[in-house]
Amino acid sequence: KQEVTQIPAALSVPEGENLVLNCSFTDSAIYNLQWFRQDPGKGLTSLLLIQSSQREQTSGRLNASLDKSSGRSTLYIAASQPGDSATYLCAVRNNNAGNMLTFGGGTRLMVKP
Amino acid sequence: KAGVTQTPRYLIKTRGQQVTLSCSPISGHRSVSWYQQTPGQGLQFLFEYFSETQRNKGNFPGRFSGRQFSNSRSEMNVSTLELGDSALYLCASKGQGMNTEAFFGQGTRLTVV
Repeated sequence: KQEVTQIPAALSVPEGENLVLNCSFTDSAIYNLQWFRQDPGKGLTSLLLIQSSQREQTSGRLNASLDKSSGRSTLYIAASQPGDSATYLCAVRNNNAGNMLTFGGGTRLMVKP
Repeated sequence: KAGVTQTPRYLIKTRGQQVTLSCSPISGHRSVSWYQQTPGQGLQFLFEYFSETQRNKGNFPGRFSGRQFSNSRSEMNVSTLELGDSALYLCASKGQGMNTEAFFGQGTRLTVV
């Protein structure tokens, strides 16, 4: 059974800092991994999808990497801003599981001005 | 292009009642998945529908059910509500292809009193 873990659970940084969020998963038989952002009480906003054959994916100030064999992904946020404050969730889509996503518990990020 | 629409946004129900939630996916998307989000358990997969057929089901009791219509709109139903069913219910829409992103709606906040 796939298990996804995100460390740290919460993070507080000053504005402008570069930061790394971690995601690990136990079963490497995945199609892809997707990073999401969630603002309080809201739905999920897709940030990046990284395919199992890819090593990294970039969108603006965000860069996601994937090491499938070791079951790890990182989300790098450059030059953080107060508007980046949110909960960040990673989710994996396993082979032979349809479109079901297995989520980590999230990292709650606070960027202080 | 309209996003994923969930209705209603908020619901308050009494224990023992039943409730129906609705999800309209992105136009052209045939896969709709439902998730329950609670502070204690995080995001958990309920079920997925594709072309009106349930393709995958999570580990939830039979009180949770769903269906999908020919226009891909989906409904989920919870019967005999319990206090523990209070949660944010999210639906995700996905297009064709193994490595396309899942897009989420804003969710329905259900409170059972």
